[in-house]
Amino acid sequence: QSVLTQRPSASGTPGQRVTISCSGGNSNIGSNYVYWYQQLPGTAPRLLIFRNDQRPSGVPDRFSGSKSGTSASLAISGLRSEDEASYHCASWDDNLSGVIFGGGTKLTVL
Amino acid sequence: QVQLVQSGAEVKKPGASVKVSCKASGYTFTTYGVSWVRQAPGQGLEWMGWVSAYNGNKKYAQSFQDRVTMTTDSSTNTAYMELRSLRSDDTAIYYCARDSNSRANWFDPWGQGTLVTVSS
Repeated sequence: QSVLTQRPSASGTPGQRVTISCSGGNSNIGSNYVYWYQQLPGTAPRLLIFRNDQRPSGVPDRFSGSKSGTSASLAISGLRSEDEASYHCASWDDNLSGVIFGGGTKLTVL
Repeated sequence: QVQLVQSGAEVKKPGASVKVSCKASGYTFTTYGVSWVRQAPGQGLEWMGWVSAYNGNKKYAQSFQDRVTMTTDSSTNTAYMELRSLRSDDTAIYYCARDSNSRANWFDPWGQGTLVTVSS
């Protein structure tokens, strides 16, 4: 069971805006940065968002991250078929003294 | 370009050990660390631990602390992860990823993954 909570699935149609949420607690999201990783089917994850809302070079600005209190969100605007993937949130947990992940949200583009 | 290339798939029997390698290129190896993350079939990601390639400092996840050893070799720009006393539920894809040199932070980029199958 993951310490960070994500819905197992989400869906949207091309062009739509989709939001994926990640819920934690005071010892993780509430006091540390949140990171998001995209995992296309059959491939290794790649960094999508770092330090809550920063995009690495090469990540389209259709992807945006935000954090409020003990929750974080990843928004994808102008949804495209190639966005169909699993999205994982991660954060440091002060109680566990380690990195924790959410269970991942599988996004389907209808 | 920055790249991490991992060793090939392994099949092990319960109770055995496995050592996965992760060769880095395209950056100064000793200015970063390496984290290891695994993914069981159909499951989410699980962080196993971090090692600094600069000074060898380590931080292991509590659930692996007594079974895992992470090391680096700056002469070959390679990181290693050894997992002992393997069980069937250790069957997973094991990933290495470049990380901060000070502590586990964010993972970018990732290796291609190494499938470890534990079966009698």
